[in-house]
Amino acid sequence: GQQVMQIPQYQHVQEGEDFTTYCNSSTTLSNIQWYKQRPGGHPVFLIQLVKSGEVKKQKRLTFQFGEAKKNSSLHITATQTTDVGTYFCAGNSGNTPLVFGKGTRLSVIA
Amino acid sequence: DAGITQSPRHKVTETGTPVTLRCHQTENHRYMYWYRQDPGHGLRLIHYSYGVKDTDKGEVSDGYSVSRSKTEDFLLTLESATSSQTSVYFCAIRGGHTYEQYFGPGTRLTVT
Repeated sequence: GQQVMQIPQYQHVQEGEDFTTYCNSSTTLSNIQWYKQRPGGHPVFLIQLVKSGEVKKQKRLTFQFGEAKKNSSLHITATQTTDVGTYFCAGNSGNTPLVFGKGTRLSVIA
Repeated sequence: DAGITQSPRHKVTETGTPVTLRCHQTENHRYMYWYRQDPGHGLRLIHYSYGVKDTDKGEVSDGYSVSRSKTEDFLLTLESATSSQTSVYFCAIRGGHTYEQYFGPGTRLTVT
């Protein structure tokens, strides 16, 4: 079945440094989504990408969808302590249920 | 949030006992999901529903059953709980015209 792999599993950064997490699918995706989960909280939807090569920005967050629609990345510029949490990618093909990556846990050292 | 509640929020139960978790939504969404979250495994789909009485299995459905007799309620049942089912369980609904999901607050289940 479809697999979504996400790296790194953990990332520790100094406040102000940049952060990137990568997501790779074993199959071509119809769309990819990104979620953020704060410690002790529930996953919260951030964004959806559907087009090959698509790039979207949300303030300091930049999301990319690969040309082959099999990989994606989330880049945070100048991390802040409010960015702490686990970031998940999730994708699906056609009408199949979303498959989530295992997430990247980001910690920010002030 | 998207009007999703889960009950109970915390439960401790003994091995072999049945357990039912409830997910309730107020916005008439057709698709509902149950996930479990464990360290190192991310979110794994247990079962999902695409309408009243329409359900299907997910990646980790063994040991779980679901029911959806009303649009607003999606129940997850562990017929005979085992220690391996100790986890945080999240319910989610799917947004209207896209695939994004909105999660409930979660239920922390401990099976002793």
